[in-house]
Amino acid sequence: KNEVEQSPQNLTAQEGEFITINCSYSVGISALHWLQQHPGGGIVSLFMLSSGKKKHGRLIATINIQEKHSSLHITASHPRDSAVYICAVRLGGSFGNEKLTFGTGTRLTIIP
Amino acid sequence: DTGVSQDPRHKITKRGQNVTFRCDPISEHNRLYWYRQTLGQGPEFLTYFQNEAQLEKSRLLSDRFSAERPKGSFSTLEIQRTEQGDSAMYLCASSFGALGQYFGPGTRLTVT
Repeated sequence: KNEVEQSPQNLTAQEGEFITINCSYSVGISALHWLQQHPGGGIVSLFMLSSGKKKHGRLIATINIQEKHSSLHITASHPRDSAVYICAVRLGGSFGNEKLTFGTGTRLTIIP
Repeated sequence: DTGVSQDPRHKITKRGQNVTFRCDPISEHNRLYWYRQTLGQGPEFLTYFQNEAQLEKSRLLSDRFSAERPKGSFSTLEIQRTEQGDSAMYLCASSFGALGQYFGPGTRLTVT
């Protein structure tokens, strides 16, 4: 069992729909990242959070430390949101070494 | 552009050849990470530098792999005697403090 699990693996939705991507992890963490990867490989960091909720534009990320679960929401989805979304965790106690452990990603396709 | 850069972006090589990749981190970032991503999977940690010191290496990093960061700035990742299983995207990331990691565009290696 992977330390970081994401669901769903693939998600296709119509433009405008509300999107939720889930991430569960099985280890103690000090931070969780949501990353976006477009075709071609480049990774962009969307959020880094250790508690509560963060919002940036149409994107919202939440984390529940007790339940070891995080969600990424996209409101009013748009075809340009089509990408792979990856959850990654930084293990607790790894002071100084911020190496990340990644989920396998959720491939999101938004149809116009 | 002051982001993380990687060179080359693509490399095709024949099995048995040696290859070297370069990563230039954001200039004030003292931590540098190498990750490897195979098709359909999330990235996996390879190695980590704090300044010029290589502080951790994954078991994924076989004896054919070597990484350096000689002056605490750019880093190189060399693969000797490449094998087809080395085909992957090699990602570099850098960070400073608790500000999270910034990723480069990656080098896609194809071993024929």
